Amino acid sequence: GAVVSQHPSWVICKSGTSVKIECRSLDFQATTMFWYRQFPKQSLMLMATSNEGSKATYEQGVEKDKFLINHASLTLSTLTVTSAHPEDSSFYICSEALGRSNEQFFGPGTRLTVL
Amino acid sequence: QKEVEQDPGPLSVPEGAIVSLNCTYSNSAFQYFMWYRQYSRKGPELLMYTYSSGNKEDGRFTAQVDKSSKYISLFIRDSQPSDSATYLCAIATNAGKSTFGDGTTLTVKP
Repeated sequence: GAVVSQHPSWVICKSGTSVKIECRSLDFQATTMFWYRQFPKQSLMLMATSNEGSKATYEQGVEKDKFLINHASLTLSTLTVTSAHPEDSSFYICSEALGRSNEQFFGPGTRLTVL
Repeated sequence: QKEVEQDPGPLSVPEGAIVSLNCTYSNSAFQYFMWYRQYSRKGPELLMYTYSSGNKEDGRFTAQVDKSSKYISLFIRDSQPSDSATYLCAIATNAGKSTFGDGTTLTVKP
């Protein structure tokens, strides 16, 4: 399967600051990447679908101005949490999909804590 | 009603037991069926992928799909303590986006 990395693996920031999370495909050119959020003991919640060279498609209820997604190349997608607040504290995970097979390969996740 | 229902457990079994994990879904348009394993504080890992009714076996893992009943299962034979994790079912249509179950937490006791 594909190998996906995320950076940073964890971050602590003050309320009101912005945090950028990088998702890289290490061995595959991914035209589509997904961003998820996962709260403790809960399942994955899809935030947005990131398509290389075009605007991301956000799920209902996800603020696109707060969660900025950029997919400038086939191997890199970034999620920026702008003006983070404590309620944004969560585990953020990206994944890449291989073609149309729907198999997704996930990154290791980024744990964000907003103080 | 959720599109995918999964019993959250927790499920605790002794080492060597056969484990059965299940999900039901409501939309008959779903065509692709996946099982992921997620260890604590890690990203999910794809375990099994199938797109047809019937069984698919990979080592100690068997994925079973019954499209007529809209029911999927994952069986783990000879379970090991290292199998202790949360197991997520995921189902997708042709559109490329997966819908995940809430996950079942499994503990295999030595």
